[in-house]
Amino acid sequence: EAGVTQSPTHLIKTRGQQATLRCSPISGHTSVYWYQQALGLGLQFLLWYDEGEERNRGNFPPRFSGRQFPNYSSELNVNALELEDSALYLCASSFIGQTRATDTQYFGPGTRLTVL
Amino acid sequence: GDSVTQMEGPVTLSEEAFLTINCTYTATGYPSLFWYVQYPGEGLQLLLKATKADDKGSNKGFEATYRKETTSFHLEKGSVQVSDSAVYFCALSGAQKLVFGQGTRLTINP
Repeated sequence: EAGVTQSPTHLIKTRGQQATLRCSPISGHTSVYWYQQALGLGLQFLLWYDEGEERNRGNFPPRFSGRQFPNYSSELNVNALELEDSALYLCASSFIGQTRATDTQYFGPGTRLTVL
Repeated sequence: GDSVTQMEGPVTLSEEAFLTINCTYTATGYPSLFWYVQYPGEGLQLLLKATKADDKGSNKGFEATYRKETTSFHLEKGSVQVSDSAVYFCALSGAQKLVFGQGTRLTINP
């Protein structure tokens, strides 16, 4: 069974540009989560999408946004890039189901974004 | 809010040594608890999990027991190998998101 996939592996942008990161969840998973792993700041929750809707959002400015497509894949967009946005962005997926109980999150390999 | 505290690293051990990485948590309700491992240049891999008090998660020789009375989920392994060198993250599930500890870098010398 294929795991969570992310693209691109690396992305280099300059300050002020926009970045788009993509994630495909494990087959059968309906929820996608985005996390930021910045150097020295640990792993921070960014966004959660389930069934095409944004369900929860971490403490990040509005220039971090995204969407989930009908096939449950997801896109993270970062507008007006700043130097401190340089980080590893990790996507995870899980299956929530009718109970709405959180299931285990499985992570992709990440996209390393560098802002110059 | 929910939080996770891990023992500070880095931790350096010799091969075949006993490993303990401490993890304590603060949470409302009864979250599930996880250990994830991150090898150099890679994403996170689920190592083990426990969903309720007194549950023991285990995988690849690693174990951790969900202790509600001490709000802890310490990771242990009886005999570490060089291939166990990685960063280990303790996490809890709260409000449909994971809350992570700061990570503990483990290095095993042959």
